[in-house]
Amino acid sequence: GAGVSQSPSNKVTEKGKDVELRCDPISGHTALYWYRQSLGQGLEFLIYFQGNSAPDKSGLPSDRFSAERTGGSVSTLTIQRTQQEDSAVYLCASSLGAGGPYEQYFGPGTRLTVT
Amino acid sequence: AQSVTQLDSHVSVSEGTPVLLRCNYSSSYSPSLFWYVQHPNKGLQLLLKYTSAATLVKGINGFEAEFKKSETSFHLTKPSAHMSDAAEYFCVVSENSGNKLVFGAGTILRVKS
Repeated sequence: GAGVSQSPSNKVTEKGKDVELRCDPISGHTALYWYRQSLGQGLEFLIYFQGNSAPDKSGLPSDRFSAERTGGSVSTLTIQRTQQEDSAVYLCASSLGAGGPYEQYFGPGTRLTVT
Repeated sequence: AQSVTQLDSHVSVSEGTPVLLRCNYSSSYSPSLFWYVQHPNKGLQLLLKYTSAATLVKGINGFEAEFKKSETSFHLTKPSAHMSDAAEYFCVVSENSGNKLVFGAGTILRVKS
């Protein structure tokens, strides 16, 4: 079956512009997660959704970052007024449910480059 | 807060020899621990997980890991390395009841022919 998909696979944007990153989870997965992988910081948790609500947004680095999920499926991560330090690979994962027993399945990521 | 420390940033082995990737964790309670692998330009894949059942956990591709509470360790091993094992490996602990994965810095495994 289809795995987690993310689009675009690569995005180059100018500093100060807004970007939207999309994640399509595995069908039937109720939980969805965003992580960021960068050279300086490694892999960091950003936010997770259970259904359409986000119980934990603790990893969002600033108020320029926001995410939403609609219909319990697709999620969009938006970065406003991008900065060079936002350059990273943004990873999305989904799982059947929230919590420990459920494996998180990762997408291939979106590589964001801010020039 | 939970954390993991991967003791080696790079490990190099010859094909056919054993692999040992070391990981220590810090947790205030019984943790859930994972090893993920990331091949170049590929997504993260779960190798194995420990969730308080058997302390010796077997994963895919011949990998296994042993949970040692007294040593707060969760080292990853494989008896015989294959060229296809060359990748970056992440030791991971979950917190917030499993809703947040905390990743180690990663260990890049190189396999020499």
